[in-house]
Amino acid sequence: LAKTTQPISMDSYEGQEVNITCSHNNIATNDYITWYQQFPSQGPRFIIQGYKTKVTNEVASLFIPADRKSSTLSLPRVSLSDTAVYYCLVGDINQAGTALIFGKGTTLSVSS
Amino acid sequence: EPEVTQTPSHQVTQMGQEVILRCVPISNHLYFYWYRQILGQKVEFLVSFYNNEISEKSEIFDDQFSVERPDGSNFTLKIRSTKLEDSAMYFCAGLKRKGYEQYFGPGTRLTVT
Repeated sequence: LAKTTQPISMDSYEGQEVNITCSHNNIATNDYITWYQQFPSQGPRFIIQGYKTKVTNEVASLFIPADRKSSTLSLPRVSLSDTAVYYCLVGDINQAGTALIFGKGTTLSVSS
Repeated sequence: EPEVTQTPSHQVTQMGQEVILRCVPISNHLYFYWYRQILGQKVEFLVSFYNNEISEKSEIFDDQFSVERPDGSNFTLKIRSTKLEDSAMYFCAGLKRKGYEQYFGPGTRLTVT
C-alpha cells in the first residue's frame, strides 16, 4: 500500500468550497485512490474513488493529476454536517478482500 | 438501502470477562472485517474473513480474539479475557467483491472497567 500524507486538520465556513489534498508519491500503476468520510461516533463511509483525471458524484469531486502523485478531494459549498474526518487510501482495488489501512485522516471543521 | 447492523451499541464489561460483539453484514457481501478505533485514534484493522475462514489478521488480533460466522448471517468477534486497553469502538464491515468500497456498521462501543 502506498503511503499517504494529508493535512491533520482544516477549518472552513459554511458555503465555502473545501479542497483536501493527499500526497502519495509511491503510488503504483495498479493503485486507485479512495476517500472515506467518518462522522463522530460512526463508522467510515466510502465517498469517492478514482484512478486518473476527475471523478464527480453527488457528494464530492476527486481531482487526480497526470503523474498521480497526489489527489484532491473537493467538497462544494460545505455545510455544518460536513464536519468529519476524511481519509485518503491508496491501493490496488483489484486485489480481492484487501483490508483498509487508515491513516490519521484530515479533520474538517465547518463553522457558521 | 441495506445496512450493516451491530449489537450491542454499547457494552460495559469488567476486565477479564469475555465479550461477544455481533454484526449482521449486508446479505450479498462476501468479505467481512472487524476494525477498532480507540478514542481519538485512527481506525485499525483487526481481521478479515472470507469463505468461512480468516484471510488476514493484524498484530492486534492475538489469541484473545476470535471470529466466526455461525449461521451464514451473523458475524461475531469474541474477546476471551478483556483488558482495559480493549476499550474502543469496534466496527464491522463488509465487501461485496474485490475493491475498496467497504460498508461499515455503526459500531459497538466497548468499555472495559
